[in-house]
Amino acid sequence: DAGITQSPRHKVTETGTPVTLRCHQTENHRYMYWYRQDPGHGLRLIHYSYGVKDTDKGEVSDGYSVSRSKTEDFLLTLESATSSQTSVYFCAISESGQGMYNEQFFGPGTRLTVL
Amino acid sequence: AQKVTQAQTEISVVEKEDVTLDCVYETRDTTYYLFWYKQPPSGELVFLIRRNSFDEQNEISGRYSWNFQKSTSSFNFTITASQVVDSAVYFCALSEAYSGAGSYQLTFGKGTKLSVIP
Repeated sequence: DAGITQSPRHKVTETGTPVTLRCHQTENHRYMYWYRQDPGHGLRLIHYSYGVKDTDKGEVSDGYSVSRSKTEDFLLTLESATSSQTSVYFCAISESGQGMYNEQFFGPGTRLTVL
Repeated sequence: AQKVTQAQTEISVVEKEDVTLDCVYETRDTTYYLFWYKQPPSGELVFLIRRNSFDEQNEISGRYSWNFQKSTSSFNFTITASQVVDSAVYFCALSEAYSGAGSYQLTFGKGTKLSVIP
């Protein structure tokens, strides 16, 4: 199993509060991703990183920011959480962005509830 | 824009039956990658297979097999002699090869929930 951990695993917070989710990998993979999973939508990409300090937006990036100061850590921040951001958040890693070894491996997920 | 359609929302089969999960995709690229992931009730996402657009050979891994047909833009997944442990949500996903913002994005289908009844 790929060495990917997410913290916290569960969080309940209130509307308007900032929230930071952490993804940590021990595989030294270059690419890291944040997805959200919602019923009826499958998984949708929020942001991704293709190297330290190199990030880009995905399909549903509004309301989220990310940072990657070290290869092993990718942080997802909700600046001011809203109820629409209640979801399960998955981090993923891949060795390559395209071509060989581009399959993504997922962390265990973080269940976030915004009241 | 790329799109993945899994028309079967939920499927129920009796143990030992064979079952096929359908996946149809849309892409403008000639080079792309297709994936299947399994999400058991425990919630984690497990990578099953990756296939690139140049390789149309079918693949078999134990009770699992995959049928890739570019002519119909389909990448179907068959489980032979299903078992209760196969109960899960299965996702098909597509990654295009063009470079640019979001180019490493996996586009997922909405998933098919498979229930295998003892």
